Amino acid sequence: ILNVEQSPQSLHVQEGDSTNFTCSFPSSNFYALHWYRWETAKSPEALFVMTLNGDEKKKGRISATLNTKEGYSYLYIKGSQPEDSATYLCASLHTGRRALTFGSGTRLQVQP
Amino acid sequence: GAGVSQSPSNKVTEKGKDVELRCDPISGHTALYWYRQSLGQGLEFLIYFQGNSAPDKSGLPSDRFSAERTGESVSTLTIQRTQQEDSAVYLCASSFRGFNEKLFFGSGTQLSVL
Repeated sequence: ILNVEQSPQSLHVQEGDSTNFTCSFPSSNFYALHWYRWETAKSPEALFVMTLNGDEKKKGRISATLNTKEGYSYLYIKGSQPEDSATYLCASLHTGRRALTFGSGTRLQVQP
Repeated sequence: GAGVSQSPSNKVTEKGKDVELRCDPISGHTALYWYRQSLGQGLEFLIYFQGNSAPDKSGLPSDRFSAERTGESVSTLTIQRTQQEDSAVYLCASSFRGFNEKLFFGSGTQLSVL
């Protein structure tokens, strides 16, 4: 059974703060790592798909890094805004399996 | 439509009844997934369809759960003799070719079994 862990479980920050979350996944048979943002009453939306060790991806104020050898990924948000409030999900894909395994998510609340 | 469409958005049913959940993926997407999220849990994989290949049913929690897909279009998830532990948000997602691409999710069906 694959175990994908995310920390922290929840986070409250002030507008303008920078923050980061961690996703840990098994390093063996690794194929890809996905990050999704899930806002309340909306559908989860893909942020990044990463496959290579050392990959860095950026989308506006949000960026992510990947370490496949040690099995972790960081998601960074620079200068948090209230509209960043959402649950951030990571999911890993491993060879031999055809579906993503999701973590439980990090719930971010940004106070104005 | 432009996105993944799921219906109904909410379903309240009595224990022991059957329910049917529907998913319309994005046109042209060959891969379709069903996941569910129970309260306080992460997204749990249920079933995966890829083109005309046999579906991957390894995530279905019991034989009360089944799913079908018509070609590369609509999918239906059926839960027979519902139990209270089946209460969850059921999410459908699709992708263009398969599991190594980002998923496009529907807005989900909130199922409540009383």
